[in-house]
Amino acid sequence: TQLLEQSPQFLSIQEGENLTVYCNSSSVFSSLQWYRQEPGEGPVLLVTVVTGGEVKKLKRLTFQFGDARKDSSLHITAAQPGDTGLYLCAGAHTGGFKTIFGAGTRLFVKA
Amino acid sequence: NAGVTQTPKFQVLKTGQSMTLQCAQDMNHNSMYWYRQDPGMGLRLIYYSASEGTTDKGEVPNGYNVSRLNKREFSLRLESAAPSQTSVYFCAIEERGRSNQPQHFGDGTRLSIL
Repeated sequence: TQLLEQSPQFLSIQEGENLTVYCNSSSVFSSLQWYRQEPGEGPVLLVTVVTGGEVKKLKRLTFQFGDARKDSSLHITAAQPGDTGLYLCAGAHTGGFKTIFGAGTRLFVKA
Repeated sequence: NAGVTQTPKFQVLKTGQSMTLQCAQDMNHNSMYWYRQDPGMGLRLIYYSASEGTTDKGEVPNGYNVSRLNKREFSLRLESAAPSQTSVYFCAIEERGRSNQPQHFGDGTRLSIL
């Protein structure tokens, strides 16, 4: 069974702090996606990374795909209360239909 | 979320009752998915439909059936609900055929089985 393990499971920080969320697997994925989910809503895509070593930036969020395409990280700089939510990583294989989701990291940013 | 509509949003059932969760999309995507989300376990795939007319089992299909009624609609049926099926159910769509496309999710159906 393919697994994506996310850490930490829960993170509570003060506004302005930096943080990193990790997503690790023993499997190789052709692409990895990061989603953000707010209470009462479905996940919404933040970014897709496809190339080993790839780094993508989305404002204060930096996403990196591991060289071996087995792991990824999400770094948030100067977190804001609006960043509060559940962050999910998801791995996929080209041509496959079964995207594997991690259990998520629940982030709470205090003002 | 725009494009994927799930009904109902909330439902309480008694053990043994049946019900159908509805999902409809207006994005003309070919693939549709049903997931359940439980605390600490992430999203687990129940069934999916790669295209109109096809359905396949996912990771946790037991106790569920699905129907891909047409390209727009994909329903999930619980024939005899059990407390273990208490969960939040999400429908998602995807434009397969183009690599690395994201999934678009509905806002979920919160289901409690007493």
